[in-house]
Amino acid sequence: KQEVTQIPAALSVPEGENLVLNCSFTDSAIYNLQWFRQDPGKGLTSLLLIQSSQREQTSGRLNASLDKSSGRSTLYIAASQPGDSATYLCAVGTGANNLFFGTGTRLTVIP
Amino acid sequence: DGGITQSPKYLFRKEGQNVTLSCEQNLNHDAMYWYRQDPGQGLRLIYYSQIVNDFQKGDIAEGYSVSREKKESFPLTVTSAQKNPTAFYLCASSVTGLGANVLTFGAGSRLTVL
Repeated sequence: KQEVTQIPAALSVPEGENLVLNCSFTDSAIYNLQWFRQDPGKGLTSLLLIQSSQREQTSGRLNASLDKSSGRSTLYIAASQPGDSATYLCAVGTGANNLFFGTGTRLTVIP
Repeated sequence: DGGITQSPKYLFRKEGQNVTLSCEQNLNHDAMYWYRQDPGQGLRLIYYSQIVNDFQKGDIAEGYSVSREKKESFPLTVTSAQKNPTAFYLCASSVTGLGANVLTFGAGSRLTVL
């Protein structure tokens, strides 16, 4: 069964800093990988979707990379802002009508 | 605006009671899903439906039931058979199956058993 791990569980950075969030998965036979943002007590918002044939996707200050062979994905956030404070989750799609979610990294950007 | 509406936002239940969580979408998505989120754990799939009048069990379906009578609606019933129902429940939808498309989530429903 696919297992998805996100380390660290929590991260605090000063405003303006660039940062990287990590996601690893155990089975490289994936269909895609998605990064989500979750604010406290709210639902998830999709940030980026990377298909298995792609290496990276970019949206504004966000850049997500995918290395299937090593079972890793990173989410790069440039010039962090206090509004970026949230929990970030990655989820691996196996093409079998399921997504396997990590437990998330709780990011705090300090003004 | 298109989206997913979950209700109620907060729900309290006494032990032994069944409760139903509502999920409505106006995105014209074929597929809908129910997830459960517990502190320190990733989201876990309860049930999913790819088409009206059809649904499949996810990883933790025991103690839950669903129906899909309309494309727009996918209600979840938490039955008294669910031994630990206190959790945050999230409904989601996608154009087709999970493997190919971005998921859109509702704002969630928090169920507390008293």
